[in-house]
Amino acid sequence: QITLKESGPTLVKPTQTLTLTCTFSGFSLNSRGVGVGWIRQPPGKALEWLSLIYWNDDKRYRPSLKSRLTITKGASKNQVVLTMTNMDPVDTATYYCAHGLYSAKVFDYWGQGILVTVSS
Amino acid sequence: QSALTQPASVSGSPGQSITISCTGTSSDIGGYNYVSWYQQRPGRAPKLMIFEVTNRPSGVSNRFSGSKSGNTASLTISGLQAEDEADYYCSSYTTSSTLFGGGTKLTVL
Repeated sequence: QITLKESGPTLVKPTQTLTLTCTFSGFSLNSRGVGVGWIRQPPGKALEWLSLIYWNDDKRYRPSLKSRLTITKGASKNQVVLTMTNMDPVDTATYYCAHGLYSAKVFDYWGQGILVTVSS
Repeated sequence: QSALTQPASVSGSPGQSITISCTGTSSDIGGYNYVSWYQQRPGRAPKLMIFEVTNRPSGVSNRFSGSKSGNTASLTISGLQAEDEADYYCSSYTTSSTLFGGGTKLTVL
């Protein structure tokens, strides 16, 4: 059974750096074809893909946010960490992590999401 | 990198069929057979309904089907049920990244 859960601060100040952790179970990020991605959703708005890391450490970023994003495998083998620098109120959103399949370019299992508010 | 274009809303009565369109470009939908559809109920995480244009994950009702023609993908829901009321998002692979549509709110009348 694949599960994922996001953790991190729910309130950050403008200009601060956001660090989110995705803790997962039921699969290994060392398995060929597996990835973990991050997707966000501002309140009342659409989904927005942010980043993805594959089993082979191949990393992908949303072009418009590439300079602000870093995705890494966590110190624990069942974690992925996303950092986003220079946070702004427009970055207020629910942030989801999801299990990805390289072969189908799809996210088939999602975490419950974490609402991050950017406010002073 | 623009979002894929979906109608803001569609509606239908129970038992009817509805189709949600998703329009992209030759660089995304038209260039790859990696179109997915997600269902999202209020306050919940998205759920995968269709992948690789036409494939249904295990456990998804066969009332849901997907197709693609050129730069436009479509999700069809037949035999509409009250439980289908939700937001639906299309997604497509594009070079080195992923695009989502703006979402379509399905109302079951």
